[in-house]
Amino acid sequence: DADVTQTPRNRITKTGKRIMLECSQTKGHDRMYWYRQDPGLGLRLIYYSFDVKDINKGEISDGYSVSRQAQAKFSLSLESAIPNQTALYFCATSDLAPAPYNEQFFGPGTRLTVL
Amino acid sequence: SQQGEEDPQALSIQEGENATMNCSYKTSINNLQWYRQNSGRGLVHLILIRSNEREKHSGRLRVTLDTSKKSSSLLITASRAADTASYFCATDPRHAGNNRKLIWGLGTSLAVNP
Repeated sequence: DADVTQTPRNRITKTGKRIMLECSQTKGHDRMYWYRQDPGLGLRLIYYSFDVKDINKGEISDGYSVSRQAQAKFSLSLESAIPNQTALYFCATSDLAPAPYNEQFFGPGTRLTVL
Repeated sequence: SQQGEEDPQALSIQEGENATMNCSYKTSINNLQWYRQNSGRGLVHLILIRSNEREKHSGRLRVTLDTSKKSSSLLITASRAADTASYFCATDPRHAGNNRKLIWGLGTSLAVNP
């Protein structure tokens, strides 16, 4: 079984719809991240959470919200989807390791298309 | 903001050849990591090199780090078609303290032709 899972894997929706992307992990990691990937722009961090009570904005949080329901679950919501949110979305986890280790483990991604 | 910058952006080689890609970064780091991404899939961690290390090997992978030049290189020897993927470097900035998150480069797209 995959350590980091994302649902759905593909989603097509219309402008203005509310969308939730879900991430679950069985690695027992405290830290979870949401990224989006666009061609030529690499990975950009949307939100991250270092434990259940800790939520932080990343570099492109506008238009998104998150919920950390449990250590193992971190959901990303688009309250009112717009076409420029069409992208590949990744969830990742990492352990609360002391420096210098901070390896991240990625889910398989969700391809979201907003029409 | 992206700290790492990989070059080249794209690389095409023949099977059996070596592939070298480079990463430059801007601030002091705890470590630098390389990841691989097969088309449309999640990234997979390949190798981590700490700031006090200069070279590291893992199978056909060789990573070097030059902290004075703030640069790293990833060498894949005897490439195979299965190595076709995008390769990303990510740095763990030293200044972040406990608020540590990786800073990603834009990636190098490698095509290994059979």
